[in-house]
Amino acid sequence: QKEVEQNSGPLSVPEGAIASLNCTYSDRGSQSFFWYRQYSGKSPELIMFIYSNGDKEDGRFTAQLNKASQYVSLLIRDSQPSDSATYLCAVYSGGGADGLTFGKGTHLIIQP
Amino acid sequence: GAVVSQHPSRVICKSGTSVKIECRSLDFQATTMFWYRQFPKQSLMLMATSNEGSKATYEQGVEKDKFLINHASLTLSTLTVTSAHPEDSSFYICSAQGGRNEKLFFGSGTQLSVL
Repeated sequence: QKEVEQNSGPLSVPEGAIASLNCTYSDRGSQSFFWYRQYSGKSPELIMFIYSNGDKEDGRFTAQLNKASQYVSLLIRDSQPSDSATYLCAVYSGGGADGLTFGKGTHLIIQP
Repeated sequence: GAVVSQHPSRVICKSGTSVKIECRSLDFQATTMFWYRQFPKQSLMLMATSNEGSKATYEQGVEKDKFLINHASLTLSTLTVTSAHPEDSSFYICSAQGGRNEKLFFGSGTQLSVL
């Protein structure tokens, strides 16, 4: 069974600091990794995706992937109050269009 | 980015009625659409996968006769919750994919409340 684990939080970070969100997954054959941001009562919004080991940067966001450790993280630099949301880690294991496996999400609070 | 439109955004209905939710890909052809359900403070749980022109594939524990999925065209999939009960109250989200290994785009979700 495919599992994606995240610390539910809440994770509280001061405004301007770096927020670090972590995720581990059980399926070693997983191919693609996604970070979604979800505001309360809203649908998820894609923030970052990463396929290869290493870091991928996009603006204030950096995704990090370590397939050997089955670990993916999201760093948010210069955190803003508008970054306060639940961040969902999702993993795609390939082998067909069978959807993503989502973690339960980490609730991030950016304190002004 | 690609747009996926989902309607309605909110439904309140009486127990025993059926509710239809539409999911449309507006600017791309969605070979595959997924339907998720999310209970409060829980993650998204995949209910079923539908490919255009073929029967949907349901996840274990999801009743196919209760949650009817129709993927009649490359831009439209519908989920019908038949004979809805209060325990079906949830946030239903569709997503669409243009092809294998393509990004997944989400609809805006439908909050279903069954009284």
